[in-house]
Amino acid sequence: EDQVTQSPEALRLQEGESSSLNCSYTVSGLRGLFWYRQDPGKGPEFLFTLYSAGEEKEKERLKATLTKKESFLHITAPKPEDSATYLCALVSGGYNKLIFGAGTRLAVHP
Amino acid sequence: ETGVTQTPRHLVMGMTNKKSLKCEQHLGHNAMYWYKQSAKKPLELMFVYSLEERVENNSVPSRFSPECPNSSHLFLHLHTLQPEDSALYLCASSQGVGEGETQYFGPGTRLLVL
Repeated sequence: EDQVTQSPEALRLQEGESSSLNCSYTVSGLRGLFWYRQDPGKGPEFLFTLYSAGEEKEKERLKATLTKKESFLHITAPKPEDSATYLCALVSGGYNKLIFGAGTRLAVHP
Repeated sequence: ETGVTQTPRHLVMGMTNKKSLKCEQHLGHNAMYWYKQSAKKPLELMFVYSLEERVENNSVPSRFSPECPNSSHLFLHLHTLQPEDSALYLCASSQGVGEGETQYFGPGTRLLVL
């Protein structure tokens, strides 16, 4: 059975303190791994898609990497506006079905 | 309007009421999705539509009835809901249902069932 596990559940950082969020997965044939950002009371906002081990993508202070078993979302010198829940999702099954992890709640304090 | 919009943003209903959630996408996409996000649980896929045809029903109770009259609009009709159905209901769209197509989400409807 395909599965997505995110850790830690919650993370508190000081502004400028770099860190990484983890997404471990098991899937029968990787067809896409997604990272989304979700602010309270809002819908998820697309960040990255990764398709194969070794792939990396960057956007501002965020960098996503992928291995055969896990993906990391690296946050460099975070700012308070980076505070949000970060969701990882896998394509699982036909019709572009996504299964989501429970998310990591990130709080960045000045 | 741009992206994916949802109305209403908040809804309170009794267990005997009938209500509908509306989703509209302005991206020219051909696939639309309904998801449920309950407190302390991951996002769960409910339904997938491709070119107005329902292609996936993820074991959702019949008290939730989706409708897709055209590729830009998606509805979720609700009747005789239970308190445990209280959640954030999210609509998403993608270009197609090919594997790995990016799904873009609306802001959601926060539903409270009393």
